Amino acid sequence: GAVVSQHPSWVICKSGTSVKIECRSLDFQATTMFWYRQFPKQSLMLMATSNEGSKATYEQGVEKDKFLINHASLTLSTLTVTSAHPEDSSFYICSAMRGGPQPQHFGDGTRLSIL
Amino acid sequence: GENVEQHPSTLSVQEGDSAVIKCTYSDSASNYFPWYKQELGKRPQLIIDIRSNVGEKKDQRIAVTLNKTAKHFSLHITETQPEDSAVYFCAASLGQGAQKLVFGQGTRLTINP
Repeated sequence: GAVVSQHPSWVICKSGTSVKIECRSLDFQATTMFWYRQFPKQSLMLMATSNEGSKATYEQGVEKDKFLINHASLTLSTLTVTSAHPEDSSFYICSAMRGGPQPQHFGDGTRLSIL
Repeated sequence: GENVEQHPSTLSVQEGDSAVIKCTYSDSASNYFPWYKQELGKRPQLIIDIRSNVGEKKDQRIAVTLNKTAKHFSLHITETQPEDSAVYFCAASLGQGAQKLVFGQGTRLTINP
């Protein structure tokens, strides 16, 4: 159990494009989902915490207007990178959990490349 | 806030030997400590976790120890195999009952045949 699906796995797009990434918990209801960013050979950096039915909580330094998060149901959260630029290129990973403190289960990640 | 330090950053051991990775945390209220294994380009996978009311937990070749007084916890892998090669991350919950995790910097473990 505790399967998290993330789509797409890989995106290449032009600068200025908006990109939406989906994170789904397939076999459990996720009260909380998290969005991370990971640079090559570095650790996971938490961007925001997403609770179903409420506004996301962003970490310091993360632009909420740049990274739009929607957690519309207990099984789906989306991250939209608006007007993406090359510096937004990164590996984005979501995780989901039933409640805290419980294990976070990660999606496969999305490799975003902005040209 | 919570700060998690992880050492070493790289570790190379001979197949069959043991590997130990250590982490320290700063927030005495932290009560949940998971370990994740991440292979190149893949998702972090939970391999073992421990809560603050337990000092040690073991699952086959993997064990984790927790010293609350010293605020450090360690991952022990025995009888290492080539498939154990990966990056390992420790994490600590941000305060008691918190949902967020703070991750260590990661340890790149290489098992030499």
